[in-house]
Amino acid sequence: GAGVSQSPSNKVTEKGKDVELRCDPISGHTALYWYRQSLGQGLEFLIYFQGNSAPDKSGLPSDRFSAERTGGSVSTLTIQRTQQEDSAVYLCASSPQVTDTQYFGPGTRLTVL
Amino acid sequence: AQKVTQAQTEISVVEKEDVTLDCVYETRDTTYYLFWYKQPPSGELVFLIRRNSFDEQNEISGRYSWNFQKSTSSFNFTITASQVVDSAVYFCAQPMDTGRRALTFGSGTRLQVQP
Repeated sequence: GAGVSQSPSNKVTEKGKDVELRCDPISGHTALYWYRQSLGQGLEFLIYFQGNSAPDKSGLPSDRFSAERTGGSVSTLTIQRTQQEDSAVYLCASSPQVTDTQYFGPGTRLTVL
Repeated sequence: AQKVTQAQTEISVVEKEDVTLDCVYETRDTTYYLFWYKQPPSGELVFLIRRNSFDEQNEISGRYSWNFQKSTSSFNFTITASQVVDSAVYFCAQPMDTGRRALTFGSGTRLQVQP
């Protein structure tokens, strides 16, 4: 079946602009995660959605970052007033209800000039 | 919070050599899961294995095997008869904390398999 998809695959933006990154999880997966991968920080957790529960936002680095998940499926990660340090690969993953195994999408490479 | 340590930053081997990637974890939980992921040059993280702490038996999947040792808090990954296609960054991971499903990852080990 189809895996996790993310769009765009690459995004170049200017400092100060807002960006939206999209994630389409595997059909039927109830949990959705966002991570960030950068050279200096490795793989970092950002936010986690599980069904209708309140999301775990504890990994968001600042209030410029937000995410929503509509209808329990597609998720959008929004970064407002982008900074150069936001440049990274943003990875989305989803997992089914009964296991913790997370399946990752191809990522969105964000470059802030 | 839990912690995962992958002390080997980079390993280079010649094709057909066996290679072991080390993973040491710290956890306060009595039952827990551990994971390995592969990240090839294309960039996508590929799931390899999920291991429950209940089961200490070693696991083998083709040329891949995993050695889980609770006594030393290690979950090492061995590739037998390595191939060029095994070249990738390999990550060990576990849930970030008790009851949390988000993962904390080690810093990764870059494996280069030379022809």
